[in-house]
Amino acid sequence: QVQVVQSGAEVKKPGASVKVSCKVSGYTLTEVSVHWVRQAPGKGLEWMGGFDPEDGETIYAQKFQGRVTMTEDTSTDTAYMELSSLRSEDTAVYYCATVRYQLLSTYFDYWGQGTLVTVSS
Amino acid sequence: DIQMTQSPSSLSASVGDRVTITCRASQSISSYLNWCQQKPGKAPKLLIYAASSLQSGVPSRFSGSGSGTDFTLTISSLQPEDFATYYCQQSYSSPYTFGQGTKLEIK
Repeated sequence: QVQVVQSGAEVKKPGASVKVSCKVSGYTLTEVSVHWVRQAPGKGLEWMGGFDPEDGETIYAQKFQGRVTMTEDTSTDTAYMELSSLRSEDTAVYYCATVRYQLLSTYFDYWGQGTLVTVSS
Repeated sequence: DIQMTQSPSSLSASVGDRVTITCRASQSISSYLNWCQQKPGKAPKLLIYAASSLQSGVPSRFSGSGSGTDFTLTISSLQPEDFATYYCQQSYSSPYTFGQGTKLEIK
């Protein structure tokens, strides 16, 4: 049974950084990738980035380039997302999801419970 | 970037109704189209991947079709637990964009 468990809620001041963790069990991070998606209050889903095994590198949405770093620790099957230079618009629930890359399909099959990041002075 | 447009944005329906939600991509994405369901305060849940493949454990009343630029999600007979927001997502090329969502409400 696959489980994806994220770290707890965070409150940060503008300009600070936040690091969210995502522990995967039931899969190893050598057989799936982890991607990150966020959802601002009352808004839709926004893809942020993740590891692409076809290119062997982490890909980021241009919007977050230079401010976000996504890493994976395959020894503990834990992924991390660090977002820096936080501003109020970054207040959102951040989700991680396991991503399967298969022939003719790529899909986000299991999601974490979400981590609320609040940016406020 | 590939833009994903869902219609309608909201929909009222009754238990037992057949419902169809459409998703259009701004360019061809082959069959790299996924559908997920999200209930208030919960994480999204994958329903359909590769346009028409049913994720394990998802009831068979959900089905998906389409390829290229036009896709549909159909719920054959709405159940009370199906009232939620539905999103399409393309995974053809980065950034893996989502549609704006379709909120399905009880009539």
